[in-house]
Amino acid sequence: GAVVSQHPSWVICKSGTSVKIECRSLDFQATTMFWYRQFPKQSLMLMATSNEGSKATYEQGVEKDKFLINHASLTLSTLTVTSAHPEDSSFYICSGSSGDLSYEQYFGPGTRLTVT
Amino acid sequence: QQQVKQSPQSLIVQKGGISIINCAYENTAFDYFPWYQQFPGKGPALLIAIRPDVSEKKEGRFTISFNKSAKQFSLHIMDSQPGDSATYFCAASYGRSSGDKLTFGTGTRLAVRP
Repeated sequence: GAVVSQHPSWVICKSGTSVKIECRSLDFQATTMFWYRQFPKQSLMLMATSNEGSKATYEQGVEKDKFLINHASLTLSTLTVTSAHPEDSSFYICSGSSGDLSYEQYFGPGTRLTVT
Repeated sequence: QQQVKQSPQSLIVQKGGISIINCAYENTAFDYFPWYQQFPGKGPALLIAIRPDVSEKKEGRFTISFNKSAKQFSLHIMDSQPGDSATYFCAASYGRSSGDKLTFGTGTRLAVRP
């Protein structure tokens, strides 16, 4: 299957700082990328959907000014958590879709963010 | 209408047994139903998926059963192994365009006892 990587896999930052998470599709072109947040022992919650070269579409309740998403190329999307607070600590997962008819999303390994 | 209800929340099965996880949906526009397996600290991985034009799909030890009239689908894991111990999520998607949003179930934590 197609491979998606995320960097970093684990990050600790201080409250009030910003942190950027990268999501790359390694062997396919991701026309659409998705960002999810997952709290311990809970399901995945979709934060936003982004198409290459377009502004991201955020789910209801997700602060677009806090979670900045950029999908600058068909292989790279970034999520920047601005002015992070401890409540932003979570597991962030991206996925990519190639835009074919399979509907399949290929998930990255996730990034564990801890805000102190 | 966007929810996908998943049960049970947790499941313990003996090695060699059959694990069964159920999901139900309301939105009849859903037309793609995947199952994902997630190990702790990892992203979810696609196990198997089905479209509503078939009632069953089998890949190795994993089978999806789909009941369109009841709006339910289930995952059966045959000959369950300790390595299958993970959290399983059902999901649903709709729309003509590919890569559409997935609506996830709440997850089932499976433990397979040796």
